[in-house]
Amino acid sequence: GAVVSQHPSWVICKSGTSVKIECRSLDFQATTMFWYRQFPKQSLMLMATSNEGSKATYEQGVEKDKFLINHASLTLSTLTVTSAHPEDSSFYICSAREGGRYTDTQYFGPGTRLTVL
Amino acid sequence: EDQVTQSPEALRLQEGESSSLNCSYTVSGLRGLFWYRQDPGKGPEFLFTLYSAGEEKEKERLKATLTKKESFLHITAPKPEDSATYLCAVQPVYGQNFVFGPGTRLSVLP
Repeated sequence: GAVVSQHPSWVICKSGTSVKIECRSLDFQATTMFWYRQFPKQSLMLMATSNEGSKATYEQGVEKDKFLINHASLTLSTLTVTSAHPEDSSFYICSAREGGRYTDTQYFGPGTRLTVL
Repeated sequence: EDQVTQSPEALRLQEGESSSLNCSYTVSGLRGLFWYRQDPGKGPEFLFTLYSAGEEKEKERLKATLTKKESFLHITAPKPEDSATYLCAVQPVYGQNFVFGPGTRLSVLP
């Protein structure tokens, strides 16, 4: 149980284009989803938190106009990197927290490797 | 400010050589402490959640313990497939976000 998927697993795009990454909780309803960024040999950096049906909360220093987050349903959240540039190249990972129980465990997706040329 | 540190930064063990990883934290009230395993190029895989001092959890060769200031992940008779980065995270009582430690890179040599 508690499986989270991400699509695509990797993407290469040209500078200036937009890229959408999907995060789905496959066997549970996620009231909260999180988006992280991870640089090589570093730990996870929280970008934003999204609750179903409401606007995402972005961490300090994260541009909300560049990283658009939509949490349209209890099983789907999307991250759109708009007008991507080479410095946006990174490993993006989502996680989902199951609601309705006494557990705050976050279950992570497999990650999406974004390379911007 | 909430902080999590992990030691050692990297650990190399021979197969069968038991050891422990440390996660030290400072937080204004602990709601939960979480251990994850992360393989290169993949998302973290959930291992354990600990909620109160004295609590212990076990899974195969892994055992996690919690005190008021730190947690240990004990690895008994490790195998090469246990090689990974082990991440510790804490959740403060006042919020839902995790504070992650930098991780410990474990290598188990055959």
